[in-house]
Amino acid sequence: TQLLEQSPQFLSIQEGENLTVYCNSSSVFSSLQWYRQEPGEGPVLLVTVVTGGEVKKLKRLTFQFGDARKDSSLHITAAQPGDTGLYLCAGETGNQFYFGTGTSLTVIP
Amino acid sequence: DTEVTQTPKHLVMGMTNKKSLKCEQHMGHRAMYWYKQKAKKPPELMFVYSYEKLSINESVPSRFSPECPNSSLLNLHLHALQPEDSALYLCASSQGSGRYVDTQYFGPGTRLTVL
Repeated sequence: TQLLEQSPQFLSIQEGENLTVYCNSSSVFSSLQWYRQEPGEGPVLLVTVVTGGEVKKLKRLTFQFGDARKDSSLHITAAQPGDTGLYLCAGETGNQFYFGTGTSLTVIP
Repeated sequence: DTEVTQTPKHLVMGMTNKKSLKCEQHMGHRAMYWYKQKAKKPPELMFVYSYEKLSINESVPSRFSPECPNSSLLNLHLHALQPEDSALYLCASSQGSGRYVDTQYFGPGTRLTVL
């Protein structure tokens, strides 16, 4: 059983569509991070959220931390082929760091 | 400079070979990590070094041997690997204020293939 469950696991969409990726847990996290990883490369940090209810925007990406700090979402507006990659949430709870199960996104031109 | 570098980028080795992976960072971070990652799966933690001392070993087989010569360098020595050890090996670093929870910065990884 994974502490951080992401959904969907795989997502294939057309360029220009919107999408949301979810990261859920039954545990409370003091912070959550989102990474994007392109094939053959290491994960690149996109954002860190620390306050319940916090919303952060990074161009077409919107990140939200749940009020209870048990879940997070990533919304991408008007997806582009350059958004293709593995999206990972990760966070700290109980003095341990956990990665989510991952969402593999493919944006078709 | 927020860069973590790893060499080599790709490595192919036989099951009887001995090889080493190298990782370097110059951000003044005091915690460094090795992860193993299979395709489209999240990274799996192998080792954590904090202030140049091994603080976490996630029950990794002894054919993987980490080494931290100084605060900027981290090596992973490989010996008698199995084909199932083929994966992307990622190095990461963080400020490491004594807690294993800081933001981690990842290197590009070494793609290892064991024949």
